[in-house]
Amino acid sequence: QLQLHESGPGLVKPSETLSLTCTVSGGSITSSTYYWGWIRQPPGKGLEWIGNIYYSGSTYYNPSLKSRVTISVDTSKNQFSLKLSSVTAADTAFYYCARRGNPYWFDPWGQGTLVTVSS
Amino acid sequence: QSVLTQPPSASGTPGQRVTISCSGRSSNIGSNSVNWYQQLPGAAPKLLIYSNNQRPSGVPDRFSGSKSDTSASLAISGLQSEDEADYYCAAWDDSLTVYVFGTGTKVTVL
Repeated sequence: QLQLHESGPGLVKPSETLSLTCTVSGGSITSSTYYWGWIRQPPGKGLEWIGNIYYSGSTYYNPSLKSRVTISVDTSKNQFSLKLSSVTAADTAFYYCARRGNPYWFDPWGQGTLVTVSS
Repeated sequence: QSVLTQPPSASGTPGQRVTISCSGRSSNIGSNSVNWYQQLPGAAPKLLIYSNNQRPSGVPDRFSGSKSDTSASLAISGLQSEDEADYYCAAWDDSLTVYVFGTGTKVTVL
């Protein structure tokens, strides 16, 4: 059964870079059928798609975050990662990684990790 | 960036049928398939319906989805206490070039 697990610092200072890694188990990240994505959710609020990556390294980002987002993949570790630069308190959220299928849907999701931006 | 509008809340008694609407535009629901996600309290979202009306393996057939023009609906028949959760619709938006989620609906079982 495919599982995803997010890891990374739970606290990031304003203006710094948020870095998270998603480890995929129970399946290969190099599957030609799927992309891999990041979604976030501020506490008590709705969901926001951040971006996707294919195992080849091809990416697509939410235009509203594009200038600050980098998603990368490490096929040797079956992992993909998120970097979000110049963070502010507005970036405080639960960050989820998920597998993206076609047409556009996300399943399964990781359990999520809360990242708080605060000095 | 929630361009998909849902009612903030819905409720019903056990056994009842509850329907949640999702209103969009020609650039999202009108052009692309709709998905529904269930988020139980304190948990990650889970795919409930994909491609407008398809259920992933393991999702009870009490859940059903439909789409018409620029709107979609999720129906829960035979409501159960464990269905108490937040529900989000979602679709790709061709104009914004973003995967957009709905505003979310909290379902309460009375």
